[in-house]
Amino acid sequence: GAVVSQHPSWVICKSGTSVKIECRSLDFQATTMFWYRQFPKQSLMLMATSNEGSKATYEQGVEKDKFLINHASLTLSTLTVTSAHPEDSSFYICSANSQGPNSPLHFGNGTRLTVT
Amino acid sequence: RKEVEQDPGPFNVPEGATVAFNCTYSNSASQSFFWYRQDCRKEPKLLMSVYSSGNEDGRFTAQLNRASQYISLLIRDSKLSDSATYLCVVRPFTGGGNKLTFGTGTQLKVEL
Repeated sequence: GAVVSQHPSWVICKSGTSVKIECRSLDFQATTMFWYRQFPKQSLMLMATSNEGSKATYEQGVEKDKFLINHASLTLSTLTVTSAHPEDSSFYICSANSQGPNSPLHFGNGTRLTVT
Repeated sequence: RKEVEQDPGPFNVPEGATVAFNCTYSNSASQSFFWYRQDCRKEPKLLMSVYSSGNEDGRFTAQLNRASQYISLLIRDSKLSDSATYLCVVRPFTGGGNKLTFGTGTQLKVEL
């Protein structure tokens, strides 16, 4: 089946530093990938849609200058949390379709970010 | 009203029991429906898509009621390994940029 790989699995960083998270589609090409965030006991919330070769589309309330997204190839999207603060601590998950826009999403294994 | 609502549980059931979860959605134009399973501190994994005619996959049965705007998941002969959070997921429009809306999940605990 379709595999989406995400790295790192977890990261602990100090306030003010930037963290890059990678999301790769291993056995299919993904022109579009999605970045979600999940706080404890809450729903997954879509942050942005990453589009290969063009700018990402951000959801309302998500700061594009704080969460930089780059989708430079058909198999890789990156999310950089810039100047991270403790309130950015969360579970970040990427996802992609392997069979077109109406098929279910396959998720990466997620990145648990803790900012101290 | 939330776009997708689920009873958070937890549902504590003995091994071998049959358990059902419901989920309601507010957008009548919603087109695609899924159940995902999420284990603690892990990513969601697709359990099954939900089709209008209802569908079954082993011990799992999913039903869709468009008139009442709810989706159900039935688990028969529960196993300890079924313990997880079950997420109801709705896609508002066909091909709608994949803006999936997730429920907060229903927690299931299967006990000996």
